[in-house]
Amino acid sequence: EAGVAQSPRYKIIEKRQSVAFWCNPISGHATLYWYQQILGQGPKLLIQFQNNGVVDDSQLPKDRFSAERLKGVDSTLKIQPAKLEDSAVYLCASSSYRGRAEAFFGQGTRLTVV
Amino acid sequence: KQEVTQIPAALSVPEGENLVLNCSFTDSAIYNLQWFRQDPGKGLTSLLLIQSSQREQTSGRLNASLDKSSGRSTLYIAASQPGDSATYLCAVFQGAQKLVFGQGTRLTINP
Repeated sequence: EAGVAQSPRYKIIEKRQSVAFWCNPISGHATLYWYQQILGQGPKLLIQFQNNGVVDDSQLPKDRFSAERLKGVDSTLKIQPAKLEDSAVYLCASSSYRGRAEAFFGQGTRLTVV
Repeated sequence: KQEVTQIPAALSVPEGENLVLNCSFTDSAIYNLQWFRQDPGKGLTSLLLIQSSQREQTSGRLNASLDKSSGRSTLYIAASQPGDSATYLCAVFQGAQKLVFGQGTRLTINP
């Protein structure tokens, strides 16, 4: 069974530029999460999807961050314009809605804003 | 609002020691609790999942326990090795599959 795929692995951009991250969850997993992890801290939920609907985006800075999950499968997270404080690792995870809930994570995208 | 706390924030021990990492949560209405390992610059690797009806799970040298009523979980690592050095994170699953993380414990095993 393939794991959660994320791309790119690394990205360096200048402040005020835009950037997009892509995530492909485990096949059949209805729930998809995007987390932001700043160095030395635990992951912070940005947005949670159930199929292609949003369950929780209360901590997503909506003036600059946006996310979509087309057809309830792949997801894209965008930042526009980026700020220095957006430098972090962006983690995508998925879990199955049926049976026991267990989350599986991708390798993450390390974003550096200079 | 669920809050998850991990103590200690960092731990350094000599190789071979048995050790315990702690995780506490404020709302006992959880479905599952999951322990993860994170190596520097990498994603999270699932170590153990404890369902709310269970009290413990074991995998190799790892044993995790769960006491829902007191809002606590522990991760026990036996006979620690330098390769166990990493950050360990606990996370609780709540309704609608909300997944809330602690801040992690950074573990260093010294040869």
